[in-house]
Amino acid sequence: DTGVSQDPRHKITKRGQNVTFRCDPISEHNRLYWYRQTLGQGPEFLTYFQNEAQLEKSRLLSDRFSAERPKGSFSTLEIQRTEQGDSAMYLCASRGGTHSGNTIYFGEGSWLTVV
Amino acid sequence: AQTVTQSQPEMSVQEAETVTLSCTYDTSESDYYLFWYKQPPSRQMILVIRQEAYKQQNATENRFSVNFQKAAKSFSLKISDSQLGDAAMYFCAYGGGATNKLIFGTGTLLAVQP
Repeated sequence: DTGVSQDPRHKITKRGQNVTFRCDPISEHNRLYWYRQTLGQGPEFLTYFQNEAQLEKSRLLSDRFSAERPKGSFSTLEIQRTEQGDSAMYLCASRGGTHSGNTIYFGEGSWLTVV
Repeated sequence: AQTVTQSQPEMSVQEAETVTLSCTYDTSESDYYLFWYKQPPSRQMILVIRQEAYKQQNATENRFSVNFQKAAKSFSLKISDSQLGDAAMYFCAYGGGATNKLIFGTGTLLAVQP
């Protein structure tokens, strides 16, 4: 399967612990996004990478959140000192160039539960 | 800032019937894209249909079609011959700007009655 892959799919952690999520985009896609979705809401934009450069960060991305895409391929999203309010699904998405019609493809998401 | 509004939290349709989901948006940009995504209980976001703002012709994908009214900033989704597998949460999304990040509405939960 060559879709967007996310790992782990589910994570339960104690408050105060650090967690890291990984995203592998579609191979030829150089644009990568992270979103957060809570129950009953639409996904909210967190951050955007073009190749290895992080070009936009939402105000939702507090200092406890950091995202990287070191070689312009896979990306990681780390949450430090987790809080119960961080419980959500974290979605990764990728997009090719304008020739691909600007369509963004999503992974299956990583569920985070902070207890 | 761009906003997307879905005013129907829930909708219901009989199998084989037609249903229309509403979406309005607000933007000052002239170049943008609009999308409908489907999110079944598995939570995977699946692209249903896409519309480029510069195209006057409404997009169609099999049983799914849109009514794009650019001046009114309206983008509704019509599902014809509804099937049980269409039951899901449907999100309208706006994509534009330099990053083309998506801005989502709050979703419409569609139930399909057999």
